[in-house]
Amino acid sequence: EVQLVESGGGSVQPGRSLRLSCAASGFVFDDHPMHWVRQAPGKGLEWVSGINWNGYNMGYAESVKGRFTVSRDNAKNFVYLHMDRLTIEDSAFYYCAKGSQEYASSWYGQFDDWGQGTLVTVSS
Amino acid sequence: YELTQPPSVSVSPGQTARITCSADGLANKWFHWYQQKSGQAPKLVIYEDVKRPSGIPERFSGSSSGPMATLAISGAQVEDEADYYCYQSDSTDGNVFGPGTKVSVL
Repeated sequence: EVQLVESGGGSVQPGRSLRLSCAASGFVFDDHPMHWVRQAPGKGLEWVSGINWNGYNMGYAESVKGRFTVSRDNAKNFVYLHMDRLTIEDSAFYYCAKGSQEYASSWYGQFDDWGQGTLVTVSS
Repeated sequence: YELTQPPSVSVSPGQTARITCSADGLANKWFHWYQQKSGQAPKLVIYEDVKRPSGIPERFSGSSSGPMATLAISGAQVEDEADYYCYQSDSTDGNVFGPGTKVSVL
């Protein structure tokens, strides 16, 4: 059974940093790209970032480019999202999602499985 | 790059709910559909326009024609009440979700 468990969310002041983690199990981790998708409370889904199977190809939404960094550790089956210079608009549930194996070499494609999300609240 | 969906769709139990998704480009990309029930993570219900992942009921079906796709729920059940998001992805325009459609079955 595929399991994706996010952690690292919490409350933080504007301008500060936070690192989210996602522990993956139940599938061959380095066969898949991995993604982060967020959802502000009561709002729609927004793709944030994706990383290919070996961690050398990453993509970011324009809204986070230059502030967020995605990475992965295939030895530990973890994917991370390091978020710098957080703003109030970054407040959301952040979901870790497993990408389709068909797109392993890239950061696009659909998401086959999702974690339950971790909440990030940016507030002064 | 944008995807357009109706904000809401309402059907009676047993009827067919149809949710449309319109892309503003001409590129021929796959449409994918996600279901999100209240308080839960999204779940893939249709991928590559018409394919149904394992475990998704047969009453869910997808179709597409050019820049538009439709998700149909035949014989909708109360348990199908959820927000439904269409999604497209490619290397040119990136990964884009539609705004979501709230489906009510009542």
